[in-house]
Amino acid sequence: NAGVTQTPKFQVLKTGQSMTLQCAQDMNHNSMYWYRQDPGMGLRLIYYSASEGTTDKGEVPNGYNVSRLNKREFSLRLESAAPSQTSVYFCASTPTGYEQYFGPGTRLTVT
Amino acid sequence: SQELEQSPQSLIVQEGKNLTINCTSSKTLYGLYWYKQKYGEGLIFLMMLQKGGEEKSHEKITAKLDEKKQQSSLHITASQPSHAGIYLCGAQLSGSARQLTFGSGTQLTVLP
Repeated sequence: NAGVTQTPKFQVLKTGQSMTLQCAQDMNHNSMYWYRQDPGMGLRLIYYSASEGTTDKGEVPNGYNVSRLNKREFSLRLESAAPSQTSVYFCASTPTGYEQYFGPGTRLTVT
Repeated sequence: SQELEQSPQSLIVQEGKNLTINCTSSKTLYGLYWYKQKYGEGLIFLMMLQKGGEEKSHEKITAKLDEKKQQSSLHITASQPSHAGIYLCGAQLSGSARQLTFGSGTQLTVLP
């Protein structure tokens, strides 16, 4: 039972490049989330998916898109990366309540 | 998030000492979650509090939610190096269905 997995673990992009962060969970959870973590700012919600087929914006959605491919997978796409998107990205999932299970994170640097 | 204030931002204690981390909101907390994060890793769920006055303990860590449900504290007794990490509180605030708002975290260092 792997829980929540994220790929890649590390990534360096140049400004303007695009990439997709992958997240998968094997716990049959309905809801999935993408957060970014920046020093002194805690975790901020980018997008979430309450259930398969639905996605909603969080606190900081600008510059990102998401896809809930199926119940297991929730991807985050940066179409044109900017230095302000340098951060650590976490994916999380929850069955129906609010206790969230987190992946190990992706460290993204945009130069 | 300014909706959830966490203090202190960092804490350095000697092994064996007790410590407290606070999480305060101006809004009613409908659920309060404590997480621990080690460097380079994801968040690990510690405890959840929902009722005013509720208190939960796990090993040497105790979390409380005040009666007004606007403040929570995390207390570690006889700290050990294994307690080191970043502690974050996450809360369900009124009007934020299915979303958690997180505090900025407390960096805990335990000196052997």
